[in-house]
Amino acid sequence: GAGVSQSPSNKVTEKGKDVELRCDPISGHTALYWYRQSLGQGLEFLIYFQGNSAPDKSGLPSDRFSAERTGGSVSTLTIQRTQQEDSAVYLCASSLFGTSGYEQYFGPGTRLTVT
Amino acid sequence: GQSLEQPSEVTAVEGAIVQINCTYQTSGFYGLSWYQQHDGGAPTFLSYNALDGLEETGRFSSFLSRSDSYGYLLLQELQMKDSASYFCAVRGGGNTGFQKLVFGTGTRLLVSP
Repeated sequence: GAGVSQSPSNKVTEKGKDVELRCDPISGHTALYWYRQSLGQGLEFLIYFQGNSAPDKSGLPSDRFSAERTGGSVSTLTIQRTQQEDSAVYLCASSLFGTSGYEQYFGPGTRLTVT
Repeated sequence: GQSLEQPSEVTAVEGAIVQINCTYQTSGFYGLSWYQQHDGGAPTFLSYNALDGLEETGRFSSFLSRSDSYGYLLLQELQMKDSASYFCAVRGGGNTGFQKLVFGTGTRLLVSP
C-alpha cells in the first residue's frame, strides 16, 4: 500500500513569510508525528496526534509553530514568520496505535530553506 | 527526560561485523528502537527491544540490557548498501508522552570495499 507522503518536497521561503507543510499518513494509522531534522543531526520531536485525543505539543519550539490534523488523517504543520533557524528537514511519521509508537513509518520529508 | 548517546561514526569493510552502541537515560523505560536512514532518505524501522536479550532479524540483530541502560545494533555480513546513519530511540514515558520517540544523535556507518 501507499506509504506516508509529504508535500512539498522542497520549500524555499523568505524570512518572515508563513509556510504550510502537508502530511498524508498511511491509511488506518491513528497516530501521526512531526519531527524536525537539522543537517547531520538527530530527529527532534515536534508534535504527536492520536485519534481524537488532544495532541501532544510539547516539542513545538515556539508559538510560531502550530499543527492540525483534519478528520483523523491529513495533517498540516504551519510555521509563521519563518526565521533562518527554522531551516531543516521536516519529517512526518505515522503508526498503528497497537504498536505503541515504537514502529513508525516516515515520509520523505520536506526540506525547508529560509533565506 | 530522556537522553541517548551513540558514537558519531563507525567504519568497517564489506563482509565484516559491526556493533553500534547506545546508552540511554530515561525517567521511565518502555523499549528501545533502531532506525536506519540513508543520506537524503527517510528513517526506516529496523528493530525493537522491550525486554533484555537479543532480537535477530536477518543480518541485523539488536540487544538490550535494561539493568545497564544499554543496547546495541549488530550488523553482520556488511554490504556497501548498509552505509547509512543509524539511530536508537526510546519511547517517552507518562500519559501524554507514551508514544513519542526520543532519538539519539545517530551513528554514521561507512562501509568500504
